[in-house]
Amino acid sequence: NAGVMQNPRHLVRRRGQEARLRCSPMKGHSHVYWYRQLPEEGLKFMVYLQKENIIDESGMPKERFSAEFPKEGPSILRIQQVVRGDSAAYFCASSGDRVGELFFGSGTQLSVL
Amino acid sequence: AQSVSQHNHHVILSEAASLELGCNYSYGGTVNLFWYVQYPGQHLQLLLKYFSEDPLVKGIKGFEAEFIKSKFSFNLRKPSVQWSDTAEYFCAVRVTGGFKTIFGAGTRLFVKA
Repeated sequence: NAGVMQNPRHLVRRRGQEARLRCSPMKGHSHVYWYRQLPEEGLKFMVYLQKENIIDESGMPKERFSAEFPKEGPSILRIQQVVRGDSAAYFCASSGDRVGELFFGSGTQLSVL
Repeated sequence: AQSVSQHNHHVILSEAASLELGCNYSYGGTVNLFWYVQYPGQHLQLLLKYFSEDPLVKGIKGFEAEFIKSKFSFNLRKPSVQWSDTAEYFCAVRVTGGFKTIFGAGTRLFVKA
């Protein structure tokens, strides 16, 4: 039972570098969501994608952040020129349809030095 | 914009005590409601969900939640907790037919053996 796979589990970057977070959804799922979790703040919605399309990116900062979900391969959350405030746990979730439950990955802990 | 409020950030109980975790949401229309749980070292997983059927919803591991529309609430209950229920619990809401699921800040439950 291959669930949602995220890698890497831990990512350390220096200020100004780029961070790339990967998410492979569950088999058969074409809906992917990215969330950011800060301590004591719960999960904050960032972006919702379907294959090759960004459906809702209302929770994603306008600058430095981008996401894609290509026809082949995993979904990528890309953060350019990282700053210390980007340090957080980033979770990916997938679903089989627009209204189904979310299946989460184990997250990527990003630390910016 | 929709929001979810969880009243307690930290709860400590002894085994066999009863549990009720509060959750309120703000949205005037039709919603789907969820409780997710994150056990230590594991990813988030669905505990139970409300999709406009019986307002009293039963989930896994003896948990249940009651949807009270007039109070915009979806409180989680369990009559007798176990040490293995130690985890973080997240209430979530999605506008029916909408794209994104909004999460509360989470409640950390610690059950003393």
